Amino acid sequence: EPEVTQTPSHQVTQMGQEVILRCVPISNHLYFYWYRQILGQKVEFLVSFYNNEISEKSEIFDDQFSVERPDGSNFTLKIRSTKLEDSAMYFCASRPGTWPYEQYFGPGTRLTVT
Amino acid sequence: GESVGLHLPTLSVQEGDNSIINCAYSNSASDYFIWYKQESGKGPQFIIDIRSNMDKRQGQRVTVLLNKTVKHLSLQIAATQPGDSAVYFCAFETENSSASKIIFGSGTRLSIRP
Repeated sequence: EPEVTQTPSHQVTQMGQEVILRCVPISNHLYFYWYRQILGQKVEFLVSFYNNEISEKSEIFDDQFSVERPDGSNFTLKIRSTKLEDSAMYFCASRPGTWPYEQYFGPGTRLTVT
Repeated sequence: GESVGLHLPTLSVQEGDNSIINCAYSNSASDYFIWYKQESGKGPQFIIDIRSNMDKRQGQRVTVLLNKTVKHLSLQIAATQPGDSAVYFCAFETENSSASKIIFGSGTRLSIRP
């Protein structure tokens, strides 16, 4: 069964450094998402991406965040200057363009900012 | 604002018993509700969904009930097994943009007693 993959599984970085989290969505999907989950809390929407542009972003997704689909398969989340509070699990998700609209989630990248 | 809440943060059931996880929501405009299961160290996994024009939907060992009058959603798991141990999130999908997004509740941790 096709699945969303994410790399790395764990990323440790120092405050102020840039990080890029990578995702490979399911190949025929058209909508792409990033969510995050701070330890012990609920999953929060960050951004949705369709047709090579951002469809919607949350207030968490400020100017330090950006997303890109550099080729036909990868979908990346960049955090320009990480803060301690960016430490969280980051989940990528994708869904097809037609019903059913189920979003498929990747296994996540644990980001630790020290 | 939009929110999804859960009645209990933890639920402990005897193996073989039925489990019922409840959820309340505040957004009356949503017409698509989803239950996700999240095992430790993994991303949310789709379990079952229901549209607002239905009040019940059954899957394999799982049933979702929707009461729109009181804005209540529940997940019933029949004959609970050790593999059902996880955090369960109710969620709804909003369509502010073409891509939509999922709003998650805060989760209920289900543990199974042998």
